[in-house]
Amino acid sequence: QLQLQESGPGLLKPSETLSLTCTVSGGSISSRNYYWGWIRQPPGKGLEWIGKIHYSGSTYYNPSLKSRVTISVDTSKNQFSLNLRSMTAADTAVYYCARLPGCSGGSCRFDPWGQGILVTISS
Amino acid sequence: QSVLTQPPSVSGAPGQRVTISCTGSSSNIGAGYHIHWYQQLPGTAPKLLIYGNNNRPSGVPGRFSGSKSGTSASLAITGLQAEDEADYYCQSFDNSLSGLWLFGGGTKLTVL
Repeated sequence: QLQLQESGPGLLKPSETLSLTCTVSGGSISSRNYYWGWIRQPPGKGLEWIGKIHYSGSTYYNPSLKSRVTISVDTSKNQFSLNLRSMTAADTAVYYCARLPGCSGGSCRFDPWGQGILVTISS
Repeated sequence: QSVLTQPPSVSGAPGQRVTISCTGSSSNIGAGYHIHWYQQLPGTAPKLLIYGNNNRPSGVPGRFSGSKSGTSASLAITGLQAEDEADYYCQSFDNSLSGLWLFGGGTKLTVL
């Protein structure tokens, strides 16, 4: 079955850039039927959608993060990545990657999810 | 503050029925976009529970059901079990601003 696994650093300093990678196994990232996305969850708080990408390279970002976010895809490695610039303590969160089926008409859902990776911003 | 509003908490005794509401607006639920629901057990990633307003993925018990009307949606859980104690999130698309996929603030379900 399809599995997603996040990887990257768990601790960053303020102003640094976060780089996370999501490795997809058990299926191809190059399916035209799916987008692939990132979601985050600050400790003890709710979920926030960050952005999504299609294997073709088409991207959509949360307007509140758009100026700091870049999502890219590497079909040869079956991976997609998140870059988030100018990190602050407010960006401390568990970062999840997920597949997004059902995106026709905007009604994407997130399924399945990776296990998540805690990223802490601290000097 | 989330554009999709959920009650912070609900509770029920084993065997009872509980509902969790998700109130939106004309730019999301009211515009006809699908509502999806997720269950997040403590310390784990969210899991898709209901998709497309009222569809259950394979493996999700029939005790869970979803509905939608106007600018609101609801998740119902019947025959409440201790293992249902978790956080529940609704999710949809909002066509205001540049468009975004958004989540409700989450509801903590406590099984008494």
